[in-house]
Amino acid sequence: RKEVEQDPGPFNVPEGATVAFNCTYSNSASQSFFWYRQDCRKEPKLLMSVYSSGNEDGRFTAQLNRASQYISLLIRDSKLSDSATYLCVVLSGYALNFGKGTSLLVTP
Amino acid sequence: SQTIHQWPATLVQPVGSPLSLECTVEGTSNPNLYWYRQAAGRGLQLLFYSVGIGQISSEVPQNLSASRPQDRQFILSSKKLLLSDSGFYLCAWRDGYNQPQHFGDGTRLSIL
Repeated sequence: RKEVEQDPGPFNVPEGATVAFNCTYSNSASQSFFWYRQDCRKEPKLLMSVYSSGNEDGRFTAQLNRASQYISLLIRDSKLSDSATYLCVVLSGYALNFGKGTSLLVTP
Repeated sequence: SQTIHQWPATLVQPVGSPLSLECTVEGTSNPNLYWYRQAAGRGLQLLFYSVGIGQISSEVPQNLSASRPQDRQFILSSKKLLLSDSGFYLCAWRDGYNQPQHFGDGTRLSIL
């Protein structure tokens, strides 16, 4: 079983839609969780950390369910500029384990 | 504030040639440093990480090596490149145990 698994998509949504991405991880001892965004041919950039109580940053909401080993990212009111690949990242020890990413395309 | 520099941005090398990619971090001390490779259309593959000077952990056995000669310098090397070494190489740093990683701009390596 892979450390971090994500639905690769692509998710094609119209502008203004709400879209949710899910991610599962295998190591129950994982300590920290993050969502990154990667644009085509660019480096990944930190979008937000994921806290146990859930957290929100503008149109983005992240949730963590430790019992089910599950992380989610919700994007409300999608913008064209949200089109990118979203990477779920789980910290276990010194290494961060990256999912392969979920591709999002927001269309006019 | 902390910054990470990675160079070159693009590199085209013949099969069998050597490789040296360099990464430096500014504005922090004793960071954890990482080298990743991303093949076209694929996820990130961790190659090496380092928690201190001279300390290198290898995640994937291959013809690449890494060195950390100074606290904020991380070098990825190869003596003889293979076609399969083509990809997008990313250096990253992390400052603190539960902190996220921050990436350099990456080096796009093409092997001919």
